[in-house]
Amino acid sequence: AQSVTQLDSHVSVSEGTPVLLRCNYSSSYSPSLFWYVQHPNKGLQLLLKYTSAATLVKGINGFEAEFKKSETSFHLTKPSAHMSDAAEYFCVVRGRGGATNKLIFGTGTLLAVQP
Amino acid sequence: EAGVAQSPRYKIIEKRQSVAFWCNPISGHATLYWYQQILGQGPKLLIQFQNNGVVDDSQLPKDRFSAERLKGVDSTLKIQPAKLEDSAVYLCASSFTSGGFSYNEQFFGPGTRLTVL
Repeated sequence: AQSVTQLDSHVSVSEGTPVLLRCNYSSSYSPSLFWYVQHPNKGLQLLLKYTSAATLVKGINGFEAEFKKSETSFHLTKPSAHMSDAAEYFCVVRGRGGATNKLIFGTGTLLAVQP
Repeated sequence: EAGVAQSPRYKIIEKRQSVAFWCNPISGHATLYWYQQILGQGPKLLIQFQNNGVVDDSQLPKDRFSAERLKGVDSTLKIQPAKLEDSAVYLCASSFTSGGFSYNEQFFGPGTRLTVL
């Protein structure tokens, strides 16, 4: 069965410093992995996705993630944090089997950006 | 392009009462999903529809939860009777379907926050 583990429930950075949100996955198959962001009182928005093409994936708002099979990791990074990046971030793996398009979410990492 | 619409945005009920949530997906999206997001957790899929048929309802507590998508467009999720542990945000999402499969990006609505007292 597929699963993801987000290693930090809270991360705090200063504006202008790098962001690193860590995610490890478990999958019997070559996984499809995603990062979603959830701002307060707003819907989940897709940041980026990995579907077995390039291992370095670039997303919106300057975020990127690197798929590392040897480490079973899919960490999210951004070179320079902005105040507007403060939100909750979810690492997600797609479930497999039949026609299901089930997304299996991690428990989330709350990113705080200090001025 | 209009996004996924949900109503109401907030609902407070007492335990053992009934409640219903409504979702209108993005136009042309054949696949619709309902997720439950309990505070401090990631969303969990309750049910997936493709058009008006159920693809996956393995995690839907069928003794109290029901969902329908009669005309293959909008959908309702009902809880009857509600329990305290049903307090959560209920998210609706939709995705485009091609070749009979939905392997594309899911677009989420703003959610309905349910509080059961």
